[in-house]
Amino acid sequence: AQSVTQLDSQVPVFEEAPVELRCNYSSSVSVYLFWYVQYPNQGLQLLLKYLSGSTLVESINGFEAEFNKSQTSFHLRKPSVHISDTAEYFCAVRRTGNQFYFGTGTSLTVIP
Amino acid sequence: EAGVAQSPRYKIIEKRQSVAFWCNPISGHATLYWYQQILGQGPKLLIQFQNNGVVDDSQLPKDRFSAERLKGVDSTLKIQPAKLEDSAVYLCASSSLAGGLYEQFFGPGTRLTVL
Repeated sequence: AQSVTQLDSQVPVFEEAPVELRCNYSSSVSVYLFWYVQYPNQGLQLLLKYLSGSTLVESINGFEAEFNKSQTSFHLRKPSVHISDTAEYFCAVRRTGNQFYFGTGTSLTVIP
Repeated sequence: EAGVAQSPRYKIIEKRQSVAFWCNPISGHATLYWYQQILGQGPKLLIQFQNNGVVDDSQLPKDRFSAERLKGVDSTLKIQPAKLEDSAVYLCASSSLAGGLYEQFFGPGTRLTVL
């Protein structure tokens, strides 16, 4: 069964415009959620994570994601994107047993 | 703290040949993962180790893929014989339950091209 769904495979957006990358996960008793970013020809880097507590989590480069239990979503947002944000973004869920499941990824292209 | 190391970074082989990849996780990380990432797709878990034991290898094509982590530290992933569809980036990651980090740390990957 698919644990993580990223509905948008490609998202083009103009520089300084806002963006939202969607992520939905299969409901589970307990879940930890992550967003990873993969810049061209590089490995995956952790962008932000939700473990518990405040449902809004932020990264150091202006991205934020909100855990919504009722909608089983963990969408990633940024109010104003930069050219350097062009990358592939992966949503992931960690379940019991220390197992991770990744979505298929969303390719964000920032247009000058 | 050193990150996850992988080698080689790139490998080109012909179909039916054999290839091996090496991974050294972050020191102290008990869990090690191998993923296959085909171009345009998300990482797919091939095998997960906890120390030197296999936790999950349900998606590992066992007729041609094998992996080991004999001393519970570094690991090798082998493909024998390779097929065209094995062309992908092979990612190694590690994680630890200690310290409340919970996330995985990824190596740079090995890009395999099968001709």
